[in-house]
Amino acid sequence: DTAVSQTPKYLVTQMGNDKSIKCEQNLGHDTMYWYKQDSKKFLKIMFSYNNKELIINETVPNRFSPKSPDKAHLNLHINSLELGDSAVYFCASSQDPPMGTNEKLFFGSGTQLSVL
Amino acid sequence: KQEVTQIPAALSVPEGENLVLNCSFTDSAIYNLQWFRQDPGKGLTSLLLIQSSQREQTSGRLNASLDKSSGRSTLYIAASQPGDSATYLCAVSSNSGYALNFGKGTSLLVTP
Repeated sequence: DTAVSQTPKYLVTQMGNDKSIKCEQNLGHDTMYWYKQDSKKFLKIMFSYNNKELIINETVPNRFSPKSPDKAHLNLHINSLELGDSAVYFCASSQDPPMGTNEKLFFGSGTQLSVL
Repeated sequence: KQEVTQIPAALSVPEGENLVLNCSFTDSAIYNLQWFRQDPGKGLTSLLLIQSSQREQTSGRLNASLDKSSGRSTLYIAASQPGDSATYLCAVSSNSGYALNFGKGTSLLVTP
């Protein structure tokens, strides 16, 4: 059983479209994240949610809007897609935030977004 | 702002060699440091987590050390195998505590 699952795995779309990426974790964790990995493989935090509340929004354009209907889900909606949005987006979860004493992060397998 | 640097960017070794991957960070006020493995087309797998009060952690053939005061960590892989081929990423908790700051990774290739 996959601990952190995200769909779709691949997403190809045209500029200007609106798309969503879904993420679900079955680990019972309280904290979920979205990370972006660019073409240079650099992984950077986008959002962090703890118990459905937004904790971190790291200078991400307003076109990106995370939604957490419950603790097990953190979906990412992207409006008016741009070429520069092409990247791999990873969802992750942990029981507590990384400041916790022993909180490993569990990652989904990623969604490769290609904007044409 | 926390910056994480990993050296080398790429490494190729023959099977059986012991090797060391390096990670440095600019702000020593961290909560913990994690080493991850990323296989092509897949997500990241956490290998080892070292709390800020700890000096090292071991798991099988892997040993990670942490020198918080100097802002350095090393990942030691003993008796490398072709299956160890992957990208290894180092990450430290940010000041806010709610996110990890990642290095760009070391791409490791272990040849038979």
